[in-house]
Amino acid sequence: KAGVTQTPRYLIKTRGQQVTLSCSPISGHRSVSWYQQTPGQGLQFLFEYFSETQRNKGNFPGRFSGRQFSNSRSEMNVSTLELGDSALYLCASSSLGDTGELFFGEGSRLTVL
Amino acid sequence: AQKITQTQPGMFVQEKEAVTLDCTYDTSDPSYGLFWYKQPSSGEMIFLIYQGSYDQQNATEGRYSLNFQKARKSANLVISASQLGDSAMYFCAMRGLNSGYALNFGKGTSLLVTP
Repeated sequence: KAGVTQTPRYLIKTRGQQVTLSCSPISGHRSVSWYQQTPGQGLQFLFEYFSETQRNKGNFPGRFSGRQFSNSRSEMNVSTLELGDSALYLCASSSLGDTGELFFGEGSRLTVL
Repeated sequence: AQKITQTQPGMFVQEKEAVTLDCTYDTSDPSYGLFWYKQPSSGEMIFLIYQGSYDQQNATEGRYSLNFQKARKSANLVISASQLGDSAMYFCAMRGLNSGYALNFGKGTSLLVTP
């Protein structure tokens, strides 16, 4: 069973640009969530999607957006990039079983210059 | 609001010894779940163990066990018989009744296992 796949793994952008990150969840998982990890702030919840609907949203500005497609694949977009957006962006999927444990991908490491 | 506190930024343990990683939490949710994840240098978060707030027994998964003390609001991870491959960052996380499936993470503990 394939795990959570995130693309691209690494990318470099400059301030003001936008970026789109992609996440393919484990087959059968309908919940996809996104987290930002930085040395200063640690792991912070961005948003969660289930059946193409955003159910939860963290405390991030509107420059951060996402969507989920009918096949459960998800994308997140960051517009007007700032230096502080440099981070590891982790996607996780869940089967919403008993524990609802999240299975994470290896992340997309974004560097903003 | 929920808060997860991991007070040990870094820990050392010798191979084959046991080690305890501390985690305390604060929440007003009547029902919640506690998780531990391992993050090696590759970046992927690996699920280790889960404890529900109403579970009567402490969770165990192979060499991992969770020492859950509800009254003290602590959920310490115990790794027995440490291996070199256990060297990684370890994160404690919580999900509350009112937070959907969003996890609230602690700052993490860096564990180094020495030969």
